Amino acid sequence: KAGVTQTPRYLIKTRGQQVTLSCSPISGHRSVSWYQQTPGQGLQFLFEYFSETQRNKGNFPGRFSGRQFSNSRSEMNVSTLELGDSALYLCASSLRTATMNTEAFFGQGTRLTVV
Amino acid sequence: GDSVTQMEGPVTLSEEACLTINCTYTATGYPSLFWYVQYPGEGLQLLLKATKADDKGSNKGFEATYRKETTSFHLEKGSVQVSDSAVYFCALSDRGGGADGLTFGKGTHLIIQP
Repeated sequence: KAGVTQTPRYLIKTRGQQVTLSCSPISGHRSVSWYQQTPGQGLQFLFEYFSETQRNKGNFPGRFSGRQFSNSRSEMNVSTLELGDSALYLCASSLRTATMNTEAFFGQGTRLTVV
Repeated sequence: GDSVTQMEGPVTLSEEACLTINCTYTATGYPSLFWYVQYPGEGLQLLLKATKADDKGSNKGFEATYRKETTSFHLEKGSVQVSDSAVYFCALSDRGGGADGLTFGKGTHLIIQP
């Protein structure tokens, strides 16, 4: 079956603009999480969505937001872009139920460059 | 808060050499522990995991044992191949190991020379 799909793969934006990234999880997976990967800070957890609700959030400013649709697809939005937002943004999905949470499957990521 | 510390490298080895990548962690409670691998241009793939003390995770010749007394989860392989060249991330989760709230180490870049 298809893996986690992230679009677009590459983006170049200007400081002050906003950007929206998209993630389609593996079919049947209802938990979607977002991570930021930079050379300096490594991989950092942004937030998790499950059943269209944000369940957990990392330590990022309010400029970073997201949402999840009824088909479990998720979007992440970053407003008022800063140079430091340049990173690889990774989406991961898992099969989460009331009693268990399976391993995370990651997409290939969206490479965002802010100039 | 939770944290993971691992050697960053790069670590350069010859083919068929033995590999150990150290990983130690700080966490409250009893987290699940993971090793992920990232090949160039790709996302992360789960390599192996362990969910309780003394568990040994293994996959593709790689092994790691959950050592609660030393809070460690070192990755080992007896004979590495050129195709093992990648970045390896140690991670922990106190939420059962799903996609949310994983805490990662900085990653270890492994280079295997023929």
